[in-house]
Amino acid sequence: AQSVTQLDSQVPVFEEAPVELRCNYSSSVSVYLFWYVQYPNQGLQLLLKYLSGSTLVKGINGFEAEFNKSQTSFHLRKPSVHISDTAEYFCAVSAPGSSYKLIFGSGTRLLVRP
Amino acid sequence: GAGVSQSPSNKVTEKGKDVELRCDPISGHTALYWYRQSLGQGLEFLIYFQGNSAPDKSGLPSDRFSAERTGGSVSTLTIQRTQQEDSAVYLCASSPRHGGTEAFFGQGTRLTVV
Repeated sequence: AQSVTQLDSQVPVFEEAPVELRCNYSSSVSVYLFWYVQYPNQGLQLLLKYLSGSTLVKGINGFEAEFNKSQTSFHLRKPSVHISDTAEYFCAVSAPGSSYKLIFGSGTRLLVRP
Repeated sequence: GAGVSQSPSNKVTEKGKDVELRCDPISGHTALYWYRQSLGQGLEFLIYFQGNSAPDKSGLPSDRFSAERTGGSVSTLTIQRTQQEDSAVYLCASSPRHGGTEAFFGQGTRLTVV
């Protein structure tokens, strides 16, 4: 079975500062990795995904994430955040052995302050 | 429609009553998920439908919860004898196929049990 850990429940950061949201996963097989964003009172939207190939993945809104197999991590980064990036961010994993169902972490609330 | 549609958007019910939540996936999507998001919590996997395969019901929290998907399209999540702890946002998602493809989420149904 797969699991996802997002250790930071909330990350406060000032506008224009860089940010990293951490995600670690557990799996005995190869996995696909995803980051989703949920703005207040909205559904989830895909930011980026890693399936294979280059370990550095670029997504929408200037976000990127790096897959590190040895550390079983998939941290999300942005070099300069905006107020509008304030949202809940969810890391997720899926794997062939689990019928590809998406398993989510508990989420990290990014709070961008002026 | 262009996206995943869920109805109703809000539902208030009395403890002990049964409720039905509906999900219309994107046309042609073979995979359909139900998740539950409680206040301040992550996304709890409930059930996963993939084509004509038997659904993965491993996330259903009790036998009061059931779901069906008719004709490979519309899905209904039923909660019998609702309890206050069932209060949450129930999210539905669909994807075109399994294995690394993006899951598209609906706006959710906010269920309040009073």
